Amino acid sequence: QKEVEQNSGPLSVPEGAIASLNCTYSDRGSQSFFWYRQYSGKSPELIMFIYSNGDKEDGRFTAQLNKASQYVSLLIRDSQPSDSATYLCAVLPSGGYQKVTFGTGTKLQVIP
Amino acid sequence: DTAVSQTPKYLVTQMGNDKSIKCEQNLGHDTMYWYKQDSKKFLKIMFSYNNKELIINETVPNRFSPKSPDKAHLNLHINSLELGDSAVYFCASSQGRYSEAFFGQGTRLTVV
Repeated sequence: QKEVEQNSGPLSVPEGAIASLNCTYSDRGSQSFFWYRQYSGKSPELIMFIYSNGDKEDGRFTAQLNKASQYVSLLIRDSQPSDSATYLCAVLPSGGYQKVTFGTGTKLQVIP
Repeated sequence: DTAVSQTPKYLVTQMGNDKSIKCEQNLGHDTMYWYKQDSKKFLKIMFSYNNKELIINETVPNRFSPKSPDKAHLNLHINSLELGDSAVYFCASSQGRYSEAFFGQGTRLTVV
């Protein structure tokens, strides 16, 4: 079993719809969870981070964390073509960032 | 003003050569990293460096060596380059070991 799993996609959604991206992880001791967006040929950029169970909202983005079920998700409301990118889930165990594990990413396509 | 910058952006070299990639961050962060992203876009941490403490991912060949002249710089030296070293290498930094990382623009290394 991979440590951090994401559906590779592509996930296609129409413009204006809600995009839902999911990530599951295997280490129950994981403490911090991050979502990065990576455009083709560019570097990852941080979108959201979440540490506690529940929802965290920032503009059109909502991160959801359920430690009991070991999943974290990212919702993008009112999806725009500019949201088309690969979204990487990163999970930090209690050992800190030197142990960070990235998922392979979900490619999102927002259709105009 | 670029927060994490790395040079060169592209590097093409022959097998067996030795090369270096430079990285500088002006964020005042105390922790820096090197990542490798392979052709399948899988992002994997190679090294983290914090207060002169180097933590090495055990899967990294010893042909790879990071060198940090000061807190703002972490260079990557690669000896005896192999075809399998072709990838995009990202430098990143964070404040502490439990915070999100900020990435440089990447260096695309091609070994021929």
